[in-house]
Amino acid sequence: DIQMTQSPPSLSASVGDSVTITCRASHRISSNLNWYQQRPGKAPNLLIYATSSLHSGVPSRFSGSGSGTDFTLTISSLQPDDFATYYCQQTYFTPYTFGQGTKVEIK
Amino acid sequence: QLQLVESGGGLVKPGGSLRLSCAASGFSFSDFYMTWIRQTPGKGLEWLSYISGSGSTLYYADSVKGRFTMSRDNAKYSVYLQMNSLSADDTGVYYCVRGDGYSGYDKFDLWGQGTLVTVSS
Repeated sequence: DIQMTQSPPSLSASVGDSVTITCRASHRISSNLNWYQQRPGKAPNLLIYATSSLHSGVPSRFSGSGSGTDFTLTISSLQPDDFATYYCQQTYFTPYTFGQGTKVEIK
Repeated sequence: QLQLVESGGGLVKPGGSLRLSCAASGFSFSDFYMTWIRQTPGKGLEWLSYISGSGSTLYYADSVKGRFTMSRDNAKYSVYLQMNSLSADDTGVYYCVRGDGYSGYDKFDLWGQGTLVTVSS
């Protein structure tokens, strides 16, 4: 199985800050990388698919980049709604594995 | 209304069985493949199984192969997960999730609210 490693596991930031989360795949996965946001007690929500395509209804402050094995999710100008846990997922090889998550907390 | 609603979770003893159901609404069900994804304290999010829109193609992760069976009834807009030989490792929240590959890339864009499965004596 492809291992997905996210960093950092958690971070603290303030409203208005820009944050970047990194996801590294154990094998090359082309651009087959999704990002999800999960708030406590809720199901994950798709933010970005195919590395950089914004899912319908997702604010433009979310952006993704990368290819091959290294990917990033950037949230520019953090909003109160953005404090949550973020997961990457590769969809290149089955099983479609997830990273362990990055928790974005309020500083 | 575009939604997925799971049911069937609960407390079960080790070695026992449980059948999860997922009712879909608001979209053309047979046009999409469906998956079950679970979230456990130990392994985080884990993609378990997949069924094609017609139901003819199935996939299982190694962790559940031979124990879990996924099926769908397109007339009822429903998907199911029969879980047998359950162990404590199977404890977690189980999500029914719609898969969409029409862009050329797979994405999981519609999630149910989740149903909790607890395996304990």
